[in-house]
Amino acid sequence: EPEVTQTPSHQVTQMGQEVILRCVPISNHLYFYWYRQILGQKVEFLVSFYNNEISEKSEIFDDQFSVERPDGSNFTLKIRSTKLEDSAMYFCASSGGSVTGELFFGEGSRLTVL
Amino acid sequence: GEDVEQSLFLSVREGDSSVINCTYTDSSSTYLYWYKQEPGAGLQLLTYIFSNMDMKQDQRLTVLLNKKDKHLSLRIADTQTGDSAIYFCADGGATNKLIFGTGTLLAVQP
Repeated sequence: EPEVTQTPSHQVTQMGQEVILRCVPISNHLYFYWYRQILGQKVEFLVSFYNNEISEKSEIFDDQFSVERPDGSNFTLKIRSTKLEDSAMYFCASSGGSVTGELFFGEGSRLTVL
Repeated sequence: GEDVEQSLFLSVREGDSSVINCTYTDSSSTYLYWYKQEPGAGLQLLTYIFSNMDMKQDQRLTVLLNKKDKHLSLRIADTQTGDSAIYFCADGGATNKLIFGTGTLLAVQP
């Protein structure tokens, strides 16, 4: 069964460092998303991406964040200068754009900022 | 803005039914979803319901939607220990962006 895959599963970084989280969405999907879940809190929407551009972003998704689809298969989230409060589980999701609108999630990348 | 609320914890005995409740605020929701998160894993779509429906049954899962009260519930019949997980209600809203609740931790006692 097709699935969304994410790498790395866990990354530890120092505050101020740049981090890139990678995702391979389901191959025929057109819509891509990043969500994050800070420990003990809600799963929060960060950004959605369609047709090679951001279609919607939340207040969390400030200038420190960027997304890219560098080739036909990968979808990346870059955090330019990590802060302690960026520590969270980051989930990538994709959608085929069906009328039912369901999203398919990867297993997440845990980011720990020290 | 849109908000989704759930109770944080539910404990049931194996074989009993579990009912997980959710309330949402967005009146433009088209679809509402239930996702399951097992320890260390991602979010797995369990089921969804179209906002014009009031009930959907899928094997052991029954989803009830009261659109007037903006209340959604997930009933799991004959709950098993393998059902122990966090269950998230999510509101589809007018776009494909999902708004998640806090998640309900379901603990199934043998």
